[in-house]
Amino acid sequence: DQQVKQNSPSLSVQEGRISILNCDYTNSMFDYFLWYKKYPAEGPTFLISISSIKDKNEDGRFTVFLNKSAKHLSLHIVPSQPGDSAVYFCAASRLGAGGTSYGKLTFGQGTILTVHP
Amino acid sequence: GAVVSQHPSRVICKSGTSVKIECRSLDFQATTMFWYRQFPKQSLMLMATSNEGSKATYEQGVEKDKFLINHASLTLSTLTVTSAHPEDSSFYICSARASKGYEQYFGPGTRLTVT
Repeated sequence: DQQVKQNSPSLSVQEGRISILNCDYTNSMFDYFLWYKKYPAEGPTFLISISSIKDKNEDGRFTVFLNKSAKHLSLHIVPSQPGDSAVYFCAASRLGAGGTSYGKLTFGQGTILTVHP
Repeated sequence: GAVVSQHPSRVICKSGTSVKIECRSLDFQATTMFWYRQFPKQSLMLMATSNEGSKATYEQGVEKDKFLINHASLTLSTLTVTSAHPEDSSFYICSARASKGYEQYFGPGTRLTVT
């Protein structure tokens, strides 16, 4: 049961343009969402997060949008740079859950972003 | 800040032997650490959650007797793959979360190859 889905395995964008990475989830109990960037053979790097009480969070070139009714979030990168080329994972968490479920992350499958110069 | 290290970065072992992987939070105290594994071109799958000073909580389908987790201090957790077999070959990644805050910070991962 894939509770977090990234339906686009890859995305190719020209340098300077906007990259939009999408993520859908099925569990309405998720209340905190994160985006990570990952290079091969390295651990993921935290990019940006958003709480379910918000619908937008911005940090520099990165903006995350959350649509709770659609159970959908997206990461916008603008302008895109060649150094942004990596695998991007969205992850969801249930901060409202107690005990051992607190803070557990459920990851999507990842989207390979390639930014061409 | 929020640096997590893993050691070793790569390990090759023979089938039937045990391998220990260390995960350290270098500049913060991690009350909770998580262990993931990632197969090629797949997502990160949570194996277990460990809280300092208590037993780890394993995800469904993960053998606790095969993947031994110890979280003896606020900066160190270890994963021991016991009696490793070729199907255990994978990329193992740990993450750590500080006592305050929600984000998890990941280590660089350990590539385990069992021959």
